[in-house]
Amino acid sequence: DAGVIQSPRHEVTEMGQEVTLRCKPISGHDYLFWYRQTMMRGLELLIYFNNNVPIDDSGMPEDRFSAKMPNASFSTLKIQPSEPRDSAVYFCASRARGQGFSGNTIYFGEGSWLTVV
Amino acid sequence: GQSLEQPSEVTAVEGAIVQINCTYQTSGFYGLSWYQQHDGGAPTFLSYNGLDGLEETGRFSSFLSRSDSYGYLLLQELQMKDSASYFCAVLLSSGSARQLTFGSGTQLTVLP
Repeated sequence: DAGVIQSPRHEVTEMGQEVTLRCKPISGHDYLFWYRQTMMRGLELLIYFNNNVPIDDSGMPEDRFSAKMPNASFSTLKIQPSEPRDSAVYFCASRARGQGFSGNTIYFGEGSWLTVV
Repeated sequence: GQSLEQPSEVTAVEGAIVQINCTYQTSGFYGLSWYQQHDGGAPTFLSYNGLDGLEETGRFSSFLSRSDSYGYLLLQELQMKDSASYFCAVLLSSGSARQLTFGSGTQLTVLP
């Protein structure tokens, strides 16, 4: 299995620019999560989807952040306009439906390292 | 609100045993997970406790006491490669939805 695939791995952008992060979850997984990790705030859940539908976006910090999941194999997290305080590692993760191990384990991608200057 | 507490740093020597504790206050508690993250890498799943008691996976064990809102991760026969951050994470349930909320992580340093 290819695992969760994220792109880009690294991005440096100027303040005010639009940033789009992409994620392909593990095939067959029906939950998708976007997390942000910083030294100050740790791992924060931004938003998660079930069957392509956003379930909880209460962690999205501001209206500048938006996420979509147009189909079961693709999701985007967009920041527009970006600010230096958005610099962080953004992780996408996915989980299979069900009880037990498969339903209680989420699998992370390698992350997108974003630097806004 | 929800809170998870774990030590920020732990240091131990190769071959030793180390225990990382985690206490939590949450609503909708479903279970407790542990994840490992090496510098520059992604968090990876280590173990999950849905019921009280001990779960063992090789050199790693995890324990949960729901009545005490407490769990721990036990690492035995420490190796240099175990140097990493370890996160406890509560699995929260709301209806059929479940999500993970992570603690702030414990940086484990294994010394030769």
